[in-house]
Amino acid sequence: DAGITQSPRHKVTETGTPVTLRCHQTENHRYMYWYRQDPGHGLRLIHYSYGVKDTDKGEVSDGYSVSRSKTEDFLLTLESATSSQTSVYFCAISPTGNEKLFFGSGTQLSVL
Amino acid sequence: DAKTTQPTSMDCAEGRAANLPCNHSTISGNEYVYWYRQIHSQGPQYIIHGLKNNETNEMASLIITEDRKSSTLILPHATLRDTAVYYCIVRPLNSGNTPLVFGKGTRLSVIA
Repeated sequence: DAGITQSPRHKVTETGTPVTLRCHQTENHRYMYWYRQDPGHGLRLIHYSYGVKDTDKGEVSDGYSVSRSKTEDFLLTLESATSSQTSVYFCAISPTGNEKLFFGSGTQLSVL
Repeated sequence: DAKTTQPTSMDCAEGRAANLPCNHSTISGNEYVYWYRQIHSQGPQYIIHGLKNNETNEMASLIITEDRKSSTLILPHATLRDTAVYYCIVRPLNSGNTPLVFGKGTRLSVIA
């Protein structure tokens, strides 16, 4: 999918543990995004990045942090996972932010 | 908040044209209409976008009314693989750091 790799694809963890999801791209796109998708809520933006070390919050950023130390990697961290963060997480990339987004295959995270 | 209104669900017979409507009565002059779709368990996929002229590509056609308050996505010969949730999104061209906001979309079921 347009040179985007999300890892891991599936993860089960316990409440209170830290979790990091990785999005890796080979397209050299400037913009990267993290969305979560839950039944009844659709896709909701968590955080996004418009360049190396440039990030901003989305509509559901509480409990999440991100880092982008190089163009190809965008990390999403749950400092202390909660059951409400059980979800499917999608990474997306875009060359300029004004054009179409390309999405990864998603990460299914279960917090028990 | 999503600035579009779409029907929750629609059915279409295989081989027939699928016409998916979208209302965006508050659209601004500099906002484009984007369509994405999401097949079950996959990341969303870009389909098409337009400003005011009708657009066509290998996947679909986009018809935008003259007043730009509504649009229709047309899949000319729907197949079972077109069964998905279709999202209509409005967004400024030069939106810079303003990410896409997804609504609930229309669940299209293509029936054999």
